[in-house]
Amino acid sequence: GAGVSQSPRYKVAKRGQDVALRCDPISGHVSLFWYQQALGQGPEFLTYFQNEAQLDKSGLPSDRFFAERPEGSVSTLKIQRTQQEDSAVYLCASSVSSGTSSYEQYFGPGTRLTVT
Amino acid sequence: GNSVTQMEGPVTLSEEAFLTINCTYTATGYPSLFWYVQYPGEGLQLLLKATKADDKGSNKGFEATYRKETTSFHLEKGSVQVSDSAVYFCALSIAGANSKLTFGKGITLSVRP
Repeated sequence: GAGVSQSPRYKVAKRGQDVALRCDPISGHVSLFWYQQALGQGPEFLTYFQNEAQLDKSGLPSDRFFAERPEGSVSTLKIQRTQQEDSAVYLCASSVSSGTSSYEQYFGPGTRLTVT
Repeated sequence: GNSVTQMEGPVTLSEEAFLTINCTYTATGYPSLFWYVQYPGEGLQLLLKATKADDKGSNKGFEATYRKETTSFHLEKGSVQVSDSAVYFCALSIAGANSKLTFGKGITLSVRP
């Protein structure tokens, strides 16, 4: 079946522009995660949804970052007034269940954001 | 807090060589441990996992054993192939309301024919 998809795959934004990154999780997956991966680093947690509820946003680096999942399926990560330090690959992952760490997270291909 | 430390890379090996990639962790709570792999041009995918002490995860000839006494989860393979060239990430998660993954920095493995 279809995996996690993300769009766009690449985004170039001028500093100060707003961007919106989309994630389509695997159908029926309850949990959805966003991670940020800087060049040469491992992914770092941004935020977590269980269905439509955003249960953890402790990893969002500033109030310029906002995420939503209004119907418990598709999620959008929005970055306002982009800065150069926002340049990274943004990964979305989904999981069939919540609260149980042994369930596999399935990752999308990521959106590479470059802020010029 | 929780953290994962991986050995410095990159690693370059000849085909059929033995591979060990070290991973150690610190965690508040009892973690599950994972190895994820990212092949060139592809997304992250789970390679193997272990959920309790002394468990051994295995897949595609790779193995890792959850060692609570040394807080380690080293990845091994007896004979690497060119197709194993990829970036490998060690990660942990703690069961609870949020099972987010904490990743190491990753290590690039290149296998030459």
